[in-house]
Amino acid sequence: EIVLTQSPDFQSVTPKEKVTITCRASQTIGSNLHWYQQKPDQSPKLLIKYASQSISGVPSRFRGSGSGTDFTLTINSLEAEDAATYYCHQSSRLPYTFGQGTKLEIK
Amino acid sequence: EVHLVESGGGLVQPGGSLRLSCAASGFTVSDNYMNWVRQAPGKGLEWVSIIYSGDSASYADSVKGRFTISRDNSNNTLYLQMNSLRVEDTAIYYCARDDRATGSLDPWGQGTLVTVSS
Repeated sequence: EIVLTQSPDFQSVTPKEKVTITCRASQTIGSNLHWYQQKPDQSPKLLIKYASQSISGVPSRFRGSGSGTDFTLTINSLEAEDAATYYCHQSSRLPYTFGQGTKLEIK
Repeated sequence: EVHLVESGGGLVQPGGSLRLSCAASGFTVSDNYMNWVRQAPGKGLEWVSIIYSGDSASYADSVKGRFTISRDNSNNTLYLQMNSLRVEDTAIYYCARDDRATGSLDPWGQGTLVTVSS
């Protein structure tokens, strides 16, 4: 099973700050890495697919990068509505696996 | 607009059974790969199962032999039959469409809560 490790687990940030969340895979997964946002009491929402492909309707401040084993989700100019838990997910090999999540708190 | 709505969750005793449903609109379930993903209370996401367009399926080791994924093409609905339920199966269960080109999951349903307790 491919293990995904996110960093950090929790971050408290102020609006307009730039945030970087990393996801490291235990083995190479190409670009088969996707990012989701989950707000309290809501289902996950796809933010970025295939490491860096944007999703229609998702604000352009969300950017993804990386390949192989190291990936990054960057949120430029954070807004209050970005308070949520963010998960990475690999689809390179079954079983699909998710990172443990990164909770963003807005100060 | 593509949309998924789960139902069928509830309280069940250990060893019991439950069948979850996921009604799709805006797309055809039989033409897509479909997944079940669960989330225990206050925890992260755990993949449960996938069904391919040819009806073959795969399962997480934690549910293999106890859960069965299927679909009804006439109702455009995905199912998860859960038998021999354990306390550790307690979770919100989400269905999600799989983009077979990338493996990303979109959209997700709103989820249905399964509680296994005596």
